[in-house]
Amino acid sequence: DQQVKQNSPSLSVQEGRISILNCDYTNSMFDYFLWYKKYPAEGPTFLISISSIKDKNEDGRFTVFLNKSAKHLSLHIVPSQPGDSAVYFCAASHAGAQKLVFGQGTRLTINP
Amino acid sequence: NAGVTQTPKFQVLKTGQSMTLQCAQDMNHNSMYWYRQDPGMGLRLIYYSASEGTTDKGEVPNGYNVSRLNKREFSLRLESAAPSQTSVYFCASSEDRGNQPQHFGDGTRLSIL
Repeated sequence: DQQVKQNSPSLSVQEGRISILNCDYTNSMFDYFLWYKKYPAEGPTFLISISSIKDKNEDGRFTVFLNKSAKHLSLHIVPSQPGDSAVYFCAASHAGAQKLVFGQGTRLTINP
Repeated sequence: NAGVTQTPKFQVLKTGQSMTLQCAQDMNHNSMYWYRQDPGMGLRLIYYSASEGTTDKGEVPNGYNVSRLNKREFSLRLESAAPSQTSVYFCASSEDRGNQPQHFGDGTRLSIL
């Protein structure tokens, strides 16, 4: 039972363009969503999060959108840079659980 | 500025051998976690510790044991390693107030032959 799904294993985007990574979830109890970035041979690094009381959160080049009715969230990176090439994981939790449920990850490649 | 430190970084074991993976954090976090990452599977929670003295099972606890030695340290033990436990293991920690992000170590790559 995959509660958090990232259906695109990989994504290739040209430098300077927008990267859009998608994530779907099935558990309506989830109320906190995060995106992590992971480089090879390193641990995941927290990127940005959003609470279910919001539908958008922005931090510099990174914006996360949440559509609760569709149980869908997305991460927008504008403009994309070569250093953004990494694996991106979305994750979700619900109040009091203290446990994160991760998606399978999407490998983003930014081409010069 | 160490954050979460895991040792060792790499290990090769034979089937049936035992091993303890070590994790320490210097952020004064109450909660600590152990995950495994396998290709196409994302990160799956093995065990977690909400506070010193408590541990709970996660999604894939079979074949593992944990010890919350003190507030800083949380170890993961494989009593009798199996090839199916070949994976990359990540330790993480977080504050326990409300929704807080988890901070990860750089992982231990474990191969069981």
